[in-house]
Amino acid sequence: GIQVEQSPPDLILQEGANSTLRCNFSDSVNNLQWFHQNPWGQLINLFYIPSGTKQNGRLSATTVATERYSLLYISSSQTTDSGVYFCAGARTGAQKLVFGQGTRLTINP
Amino acid sequence: NAGVMQNPRHLVRRRGQEARLRCSPMKGHSHVYWYRQLPEEGLKFMVYLQKENIIDESGMPKERFSAEFPKEGPSILRIQQVVRGDSAAYFCASSPQTGGMETQYFGPGTRLLVL
Repeated sequence: GIQVEQSPPDLILQEGANSTLRCNFSDSVNNLQWFHQNPWGQLINLFYIPSGTKQNGRLSATTVATERYSLLYISSSQTTDSGVYFCAGARTGAQKLVFGQGTRLTINP
Repeated sequence: NAGVMQNPRHLVRRRGQEARLRCSPMKGHSHVYWYRQLPEEGLKFMVYLQKENIIDESGMPKERFSAEFPKEGPSILRIQQVVRGDSAAYFCASSPQTGGMETQYFGPGTRLLVL
């Protein structure tokens, strides 16, 4: 199966800072999603982005499918952005998502 | 439009008891996936079901675990004779169609604690 590596594993920032989270895949994927798991454990869909660039408010994501990586950008961070960010992908022809280990983001006031 | 619903949200069982977790997919979704998250880890795939069919159970432990998605009613993940290592968060996701090209929408999870 595919391997998913996320970096950095931990990130501590001050409110207002910008951040970039990275996700590398060992093989081609045709389903790539980013999630935010908040401190209460809920998984929130951020982006479905197998290729290209999308933006939603202060968040944006870019996937370069040919190079097997995706980036999540968070601008003007707020304390409510704290939590763990996961990327997950499904290999072409498969349905099961393989998750990375996550990036734990802490935004201090 | 209600999202994926899971119940119970929290479940406490003693070793040897049975745990039964329920998942109702989003309206119009006929594909259900179960994932397990151990403490401080990412989610791991367990099983993928369509109505009345198990499509992929490659992530399910061979013993004590079973899943179903009947024609009527929610999907059920059943764990028999629970052990402490089964303590985890169990998430259900649903999607409208197969092919791996659709967003999977996740429920709030069931947190299972085995005493």
